[in-house]
Amino acid sequence: QKEVEQDPGPLSVPEGAIVSLNCTYSNSAFQYFMWYRQYSRKGPELLMYTYSSGNKEDGRFTAQVDKSSKYISLFIRDSQPSDSATYLCAMRDSGGSNYKLTFGKGTLLTVNP
Amino acid sequence: DSGVTQTPKHLITATGQRVTLRCSPRSGDLSVYWYQQSLDQGLQFLIQYYNGEERAKGNILERFSAQQFPDLHSELNLSSLELGDSALYFCASSASLAGIGNEQFFGPGTRLTVL
Repeated sequence: QKEVEQDPGPLSVPEGAIVSLNCTYSNSAFQYFMWYRQYSRKGPELLMYTYSSGNKEDGRFTAQVDKSSKYISLFIRDSQPSDSATYLCAMRDSGGSNYKLTFGKGTLLTVNP
Repeated sequence: DSGVTQTPKHLITATGQRVTLRCSPRSGDLSVYWYQQSLDQGLQFLIQYYNGEERAKGNILERFSAQQFPDLHSELNLSSLELGDSALYFCASSASLAGIGNEQFFGPGTRLTVL
């Protein structure tokens, strides 16, 4: 079983739709959870950064973490064509000897005008 | 623009050759991470340096090595290249090692093609 599982999609939605992206994980030591957006042939761009369980909202984006279920989500409201990209979840533990990120494989999202 | 720079953008080389990828972290960031992204494996952590010292190793092959210099830029050296080494190589940097503000910011990547 991979440490982080993410449905690769592709996911295609009409403009204005609410998008839900999800990841599950198996490592209970993960404490920090991130969502990155990656446009084609570009580097990942940090969208949301959360610690432990709970919700975090930033504009049209909401990140949710449910540590009891080992499940994280990213919601995009009023989706726009410019949101079309690959969305990667990433997570890491509290530190110790290294601070590497473990990534999901990414979900390809297309928002159609 | 994340503030992390990587050179070159593209690199085309032959099997058996050696290449060096360069990364300059964001101003003030002490920690540098290298990742490899391929279609089948996704983004995989390779190695981490903090203020010149190696801190962690991930799925890095013995043919690969890295270092971080006193000015905090880092280089990733790939030798005896194989076709399977073709991938995007990303560098990321963060301000420190600890704390909730330790977000990693990624550079634009170097696309390596081994022919």
